[in-house]
Amino acid sequence: GAVVSQHPSRVICKSGTSVKIECRSLDFQATTMFWYRQFPKQSLMLMATSNEGSKATYEQGVEKDKFLINHASLTLSTLTVTSAHPEDSSFYICSAPLRQGGGYGYTFGSGTRLTVV
Amino acid sequence: DAKTTQPPSMDCAEGRAANLPCNHSTISGNEYVYWYRQIHSQGPQYIIHGLKNNETNEMASLIITEDRKSSTLILPHATLRDTAVYYCIVRVGTNDYKLSFGAGTTVTVRA
Repeated sequence: GAVVSQHPSRVICKSGTSVKIECRSLDFQATTMFWYRQFPKQSLMLMATSNEGSKATYEQGVEKDKFLINHASLTLSTLTVTSAHPEDSSFYICSAPLRQGGGYGYTFGSGTRLTVV
Repeated sequence: DAKTTQPPSMDCAEGRAANLPCNHSTISGNEYVYWYRQIHSQGPQYIIHGLKNNETNEMASLIITEDRKSSTLILPHATLRDTAVYYCIVRVGTNDYKLSFGAGTTVTVRA
C-alpha cells in the first residue's frame, strides 16, 4: 500500500540549531502533506498543511518563520525547525491524503522524536 | 467536522473481542466515520471507515447505528499488539481536508 517514509525517526539537537525532517511519499504522489505535533500524553495537533508548488498554510498559533515547510516536489515535503529550543521537543508526524475506495484516507509517517537539549 | 465522544480508556483481555464505542450525534449526511489507532511512539494507522453500512476488513469491524449517531469498532480477537490509542473521527470523506484528532480511547490489552 501507499507509504510515507519519514526521516529521521529520532534526533537530538542543541538549543539554537535547526533540524530538518523529511517525508517522502513512496509509490504515490502527495500534492498535500499535513504536519502534526504531539506532546507526551496528548493528541495530535495539526501544525500546517503543505501543498506542492505553493506556500504552506499554518494553523493559528504556529510560527511560520520557526517551522519552515517546503513541498518542492510531489514526493517530498520537509519541515525545518529553526533555532530550536527545549520547548520544541516533541513528536512530529507527517500525513498525506490519498484516494481510498470512494473517498479519501490518510497515510502517516512513522514520526520523528525531536529532543532539544 | 462533527465532534466525537469516546471513553478515555478501556481494558480488554487478550483473545477476547474489544468493543470501542464512539458517539457522533451531530454527524451530517455526507460525513464518514473513520477509525485510526496509534501505537506508542508511532504514526497513526488507518483501521477502517464507513458511511452508513457496517464494514469489515482484516483488522476490524465497524458497526454504525441506523441513525448514524454512534458507532462501535470491534477488534474480534484482541492481542497485546492491539494496545494503542484509538481515534474515532468524523469527516466528509470526499475531500482531502485536514484530519482533526480528539483525545481517543487508550486501549490496554492484558494477558
